[in-house]
Amino acid sequence: EVQLVESGGGLAQPGGSLRLSCVASGFTFSSYWMTWVRQAPGKGLEWVAHIRQDGSEKYYVDSVKGRFTISRDNAKNSLYLQMDSLRPEDTALYYCARRQWLALENWGQGLLVTVSS
Amino acid sequence: QSALTQPPSASGSPGQSVTISCTGTSSDVGAYNYVSWYQQHPGKAPKLMIYEVTKRPSGVPDRFSGSKSGNTASLTVSGLQAEDEADYYCSSYTRGYNYVFGTGTKVTVL
Repeated sequence: EVQLVESGGGLAQPGGSLRLSCVASGFTFSSYWMTWVRQAPGKGLEWVAHIRQDGSEKYYVDSVKGRFTISRDNAKNSLYLQMDSLRPEDTALYYCARRQWLALENWGQGLLVTVSS
Repeated sequence: QSALTQPPSASGSPGQSVTISCTGTSSDVGAYNYVSWYQQHPGKAPKLMIYEVTKRPSGVPDRFSGSKSGNTASLTVSGLQAEDEADYYCSSYTRGYNYVFGTGTKVTVL
């Protein structure tokens, strides 16, 4: 069974940093693109970033470029999102997801990130 | 990277059909057959219902079907059931190796 378990969320001040982690199990992690998606409270889904199997390609939504960094450690079956220069508008539930067929087949349970002073 | 446009709400009685539209541009929906649809119940993670415009992952009932014409994709739920009441989001691959989601549609079973 595919499982994606996120950790590392919480409260951060504007301008601060957080690092999200997602540990994968039940599939060969190194064979799949992985994605972060977020959902602001009461709002819709927003694709944030995705990363190629070997980490050689990374793509971001414009609103996080230069502030967020997606990375992975295939030896640890782990996906990361380093979030710097946080803004109140980054407040959201963050999901990691496994990409299959250019769609998001499996999702984690979500992790709340709150940016507030 | 503007969101794809979906109607805010749709509804139908049990057993009826409901169709949700998803309008993009020639850079996303119109350019690729990589439209997917997600169902999200309150407090839950999204679930993939349709990928590559028309395909269903294993376990998704065949009451769910997808289509596309030009820059607009559609999701049809036939034989509506109470458990189909949820938010639905479309998504498309876009130029530049990115993705974009739709604005979301709340489906109500009357």
